[in-house]
Amino acid sequence: SQQGEEDPQALSIQEGENATMNCSYKTSINNLQWYRQNSGRGLVHLILIRSNEREKHSGRLRVTLDTSKKSSSLLITASRAADTASYFCATGGYGQNFVFGPGTRLSVLP
Amino acid sequence: NAGVMQNPRHLVRRRGQEARLRCSPMKGHSHVYWYRQLPEEGLKFMVYLQKENIIDESGMPKERFSAEFPKEGPSILRIQQVVRGDSAAYFCASSPSRGPGELFFGEGSRLTVL
Repeated sequence: SQQGEEDPQALSIQEGENATMNCSYKTSINNLQWYRQNSGRGLVHLILIRSNEREKHSGRLRVTLDTSKKSSSLLITASRAADTASYFCATGGYGQNFVFGPGTRLSVLP
Repeated sequence: NAGVMQNPRHLVRRRGQEARLRCSPMKGHSHVYWYRQLPEEGLKFMVYLQKENIIDESGMPKERFSAEFPKEGPSILRIQQVVRGDSAAYFCASSPSRGPGELFFGEGSRLTVL
């Protein structure tokens, strides 16, 4: 099975700074997805990047994918206190189960 | 459109009792996934179902746990003879039958075993 693993495990930054989280996986993928989880809530899909894409943007989010290194990064620019959450990468796709990494806990301090 | 609905949101059981967790996927979604999450940890895959079929149950413990997704009605995750180690948040997610497979999650069911 494919396994996403994020680093760092925890990240604390000031409001307005950028936050970068990384994800590594072990096997070939069709796509990689990032999700956010606020404390005590379900996960929310943020962005999907396909295996033939190298970079993707959505608002303040920028995701990169390097299939040669089996890694992805999620950049949140100009962070806000509301971005405080856990962030997970996931590999899988239609007809497959989805495997999530352990997540990065992001704290954005006002 | 209503999102993925899970109930109960909170469930307390004593050791040895049964727990039944329900999940109604989003309208039009025919794929359901169950995950388990311990505090401060990631999601552990349990089972992937389509209507009336178990596609992948590689994450399910071999004993006491079962799941179904009948033709009519919600998907159910059933835990028999619960033990304290079963205490966790159980999340259900659904996805449409086509597309890359983005998951839509419910708010989870938090099981506490006394």
